[in-house]
Amino acid sequence: KNQVEQSPQSLIILEGKNCTLQCNYTVSPFSNLRWYKQDTGRGPVSLTIMTFSENTKSNGRYTATLDADTKQSSLHITASQLSDSASYICVVSLPPDKIIFGKGTRLHILP
Amino acid sequence: DAGVIQSPRHEVTEMGQEVTLRCKPISGHNSLFWYRQTMMRGLELLIYFNNNVPIDDSGMPEDRFSAKMPNASFSTLKIQPSEPRDSAVYFCASSPDRNYGYTFGSGTRLTVV
Repeated sequence: KNQVEQSPQSLIILEGKNCTLQCNYTVSPFSNLRWYKQDTGRGPVSLTIMTFSENTKSNGRYTATLDADTKQSSLHITASQLSDSASYICVVSLPPDKIIFGKGTRLHILP
Repeated sequence: DAGVIQSPRHEVTEMGQEVTLRCKPISGHNSLFWYRQTMMRGLELLIYFNNNVPIDDSGMPEDRFSAKMPNASFSTLKIQPSEPRDSAVYFCASSPDRNYGYTFGSGTRLTVV
């Protein structure tokens, strides 16, 4: 069964610290993997998109990695800020049009 | 660029009533998606249009749900009759191509009492 599992479910860290969010998937075949940030009460906003052949992609303080062999992706946030408090959602696409969402990781940044 | 525009932002309705949610995608985007988000199930894709044509509606829960895209700049999601279990945030998203990132609207929070 095609699934996307994210961990942890929630995470609390102090402002300025780094953190890493995990996404494991069993999807096959695989088109691309995306990470989204969703602020409370808002729609998700795309952070990164990676295809099968890409290992890493950065967007400012956000760096996503992908290991297609182990079917794992991570999102690393460097020098966290209060505005990073949000839900982070991993989304995997299968050809031609199937999309599978993870349940998300809720990140809380404390001052 | 005003982004993806959804209306209304909030909707409270009684069980059994018809509900219509509206979406205006970003101009030039060929793909439009309707999603539902709940605490229990997370984000779920309901239906996807490409060039105004429904491509995949396998996520539509049941016959009470219907979606239309009469032209490239407007889409509706209708629930008739509504039930309390339909309470959720409904998002519309558009994309220049299904293989690119989606731009989401701010969502419609639907409460069916």
